[in-house]
Formats: sequence, C-alpha cells, structure tokens
Amino acid sequence: AQRVTQPEKLLSVFKGAPVELKCNYSYSGSPELFWYVQYSRQRLQLLLRHISRESIKGFTADLNKGETSFHLKKPFAQEEDSAMYYCAPQISQGGSEKLVFGKGTKLTVNP
Amino acid sequence: ETGVTQTPRHLVMGMTNKKSLKCEQHLGHNAMYWYKQSAKKPLELMFVYNFKEQTENNSVPSRFSPECPNSSHLFLHLHTLQPEDSALYLCASSQEVGRGNTEAFFGQGTRLTVV
Repeated sequence: AQRVTQPEKLLSVFKGAPVELKCNYSYSGSPELFWYVQYSRQRLQLLLRHISRESIKGFTADLNKGETSFHLKKPFAQEEDSAMYYCAPQISQGGSEKLVFGKGTKLTVNP
Repeated sequence: ETGVTQTPRHLVMGMTNKKSLKCEQHLGHNAMYWYKQSAKKPLELMFVYNFKEQTENNSVPSRFSPECPNSSHLFLHLHTLQPEDSALYLCASSQEVGRGNTEAFFGQGTRLTVV
C-alpha cells in the first residue's frame, strides 16, 4: 500500500543532543519530499524541501532512494525546536498533485 | 491580512445545522485545498481546486460541499454532519497544481465540534 510512515509518535531529547526524525515512504516514482513543522499555537508551515538541498534552522534531510527514507536531522537540538514535525511526499496521481502527510512526530527538547 | 485566513476559528454545530467554513488567501495563488485533521489520524486531503476548478475529491461524503467562487476564496459547506466529523479543518493554498515542488501555505484551521 502507498503510504508515508513516521514511526515515532513522540521523541524527547535534551538540549544540545542530536535528533533524528524518521520518515519512510512507499510511493511509486520519485515524489517530491517535504518536511512541515507546527510550533505550538502556530500554523503548519514548510520547514524544508528535498529539492532545495537546504539547511533550515540547522535541520537537514537526506533522501535515501534505496531505503525510501527521508529522515530529518539536526546535530544539536534547541528548546525552540520543540514542535510537531510532518513528513510529506508530494505525489502525482491522475494528473493532479497532492501532499500526503505522515501522522507526525512530536519532538520535545528538554533543557 | 496576508497569508491564509480561515473563519471561524471555532464552530460548534448540531447534527441538523447547516454552516459554512471560509478560507481566504491573498498570496496570489491559484490552488486551494481543504484538509481534515482528526485526533490520532494523519492530515487527510479532502478537496483540491486549481484555477477555481475542482481537481480532486478524495471520496469525501456529500455532507461536505466545497465551493470556490474565485482563486482567493474557498468555502466548505456543512450539513447534517455526524459527531465523527468533529475535527480541525485546514485550508491551504499554493501557486498551482501541477508545477511540482510548490510550498503549501496553511491557515490556522477551524476547530469543528458536532454535537
């Protein structure tokens, strides 16, 4: 079945520790891949997209086509990184494109 | 206001009521979306409009009826809902469908409770 999986519902780390939020997808073709983030009391917003090869707020995400994974990483977590993180492949289907979201991982960075 | 604005922010309605959710964007985008976010479930795409034309209906029950009068406005008309329809309804917009790799901008959502 086609889906996107974020295996960790909750992830808790201490400030300064490395963090990795996992995402695996099982869609045919080569979907565009995004990470969206929702901070407390704020709207869902784009964090980063694979095609830009960018690092945003110290986060990077590496695409592993063999494993069909797009894990989000940050070497030194900060308290302000606490948020819900959603992995979102953009799939093409029937001439239309749509973002499909994982269930999300709630990251808590403790002082 | 710039960005994507949704009204109302909260809505409580009875199962026999008719209500509408409104979404407005001033970003010059041509694609607009309705998503449903229920507890313990991932964000579910409901409808997609591209240049005012509906391009996706993700098997949504007919008690949800979308309307897109122009590229800046999107409505979700609700009637005879069920308690299980209680959820956060999110509106989003992007430049257009089909361009690929385009960022979606989300509204704050409408928290709907059906009693």
